[in-house]
Amino acid sequence: GAGVSQSPSNKVTEKGKDVELRCDPISGHTALYWYRQSLGQGLEFLIYFQGNSAPDKSGLPSDRFSAERTGGSVSTLTIQRTQQEDSAVYLCASGRRGTYGYTFGSGTRLTVV
Amino acid sequence: QQQVKQSPQSLIVQKGGISIINCAYENTAFDYFPWYQQFPGKGPALLIAIRPDVSEKKEGRFTISFNKSAKQFSLHIMDSQPGDSATYFCAASKAAGNKLTFGGGTRVLVKP
Repeated sequence: GAGVSQSPSNKVTEKGKDVELRCDPISGHTALYWYRQSLGQGLEFLIYFQGNSAPDKSGLPSDRFSAERTGGSVSTLTIQRTQQEDSAVYLCASGRRGTYGYTFGSGTRLTVV
Repeated sequence: QQQVKQSPQSLIVQKGGISIINCAYENTAFDYFPWYQQFPGKGPALLIAIRPDVSEKKEGRFTISFNKSAKQFSLHIMDSQPGDSATYFCAASKAAGNKLTFGGGTRVLVKP
């Protein structure tokens, strides 16, 4: 596709439920990033995939958060046993190997009630 | 540890005026400094970026000034327009393709 696609665009879930957020990067982009943006706040790094290398998981806030990337393309961010503090916009971005800067999707707004 | 500090948090400027946003970083290993623009409901979009081998970069009405010794960089928006009203984020990274560390953002409102 022409841009980074994220789905769903909005998700409301009950506290304690698991959620899966999907990111479809730009074709040919080997790098994929997940960020979290809380209301009125900056962007918090979560996880980074680069090709077949082991992902950089250093930003994941707890073991309830995990992510995988299948076939070097689509990525899924999973949050288990959601808490109200998980409410935020989850942004995905992709980029080309060896280049600076990347392209963001429009995000998934997660609301935990 | 906040590695990139951004100020001010918000800014109101009249149409035609100059918007100035400042960022300071701590990690001297950073070698790429982009600015992103974000409109409500959208993801951030790359606006302009600079590497530390130059002190200034200009693209249209947007200019980055970079001071390596002070570990500071700033965004100047000349002739600000209402369409420039958005949230602006500075960021920094080490090496190409590496993760970006973002500042806290500046909400800019340009009044007509």
